[in-house]
Amino acid sequence: QVQLQESGPGLVKPSETLSLTCTVSGGSISSYYWSWIRQPPGKGLEWIGYLYYSGSTNYNPSLKSRVTISVDTSKNQFSLNLTSVTAADTAVYYCARQAAATLDYWGQGTLVTVSS
Amino acid sequence: DVQMTQSPSSLSASVGDRVTITCRASQSISSYLNWYQQKPGKVPKLLIYTASSLQSGVPSRFSGSGSGTDFTLTISSLQPEDFATYYCQQSYSTPFTFGPGTKVDIK
Repeated sequence: QVQLQESGPGLVKPSETLSLTCTVSGGSISSYYWSWIRQPPGKGLEWIGYLYYSGSTNYNPSLKSRVTISVDTSKNQFSLNLTSVTAADTAVYYCARQAAATLDYWGQGTLVTVSS
Repeated sequence: DVQMTQSPSSLSASVGDRVTITCRASQSISSYLNWYQQKPGKVPKLLIYTASSLQSGVPSRFSGSGSGTDFTLTISSLQPEDFATYYCQQSYSTPFTFGPGTKVDIK
């Protein structure tokens, strides 16, 4: 059974960079696409972007100028960097496996609050 | 971007009721439509993919239909564990987009 676990700081200051890592267990990160999704408190879901294990990426244009998703296949991990954060970036951030354009396995999510 | 809308935004229903949720895309997305269930404080769970395929392990009371721009999720007989928020998501083109959600609560 594939499992995903997000890790990273729960509090980030405005204008700084949000950095999260997703560790994949129970399966290889190779041969799949891997996504980040976020959900502001009490609101809906927003797709941030995905990465293929080879390193190719696709980002949401609304965030493209601030987002980088990268992979470390040796550690079975992929990461999210979001620069110049504001309070609007406060959300639960999920990582997920993308298989045939469905998000079939999700991490538990991690709340990131942007505040000074 | 493909915009997704859902109706209703919320509904109240009783155990045993048949429930139907509608999702509409701003342009044709063929059958590239997925449905997720999210309970409060929990992770979204994939229910239906490519409009009508039931994800493994999901009860058969859930079904999906539609193609093009109009889709439905039906729960044939609502169970206590089905009270949740349901989201549709298009995977036809990036950026993948979600509907705003439909909250199903107890009447």
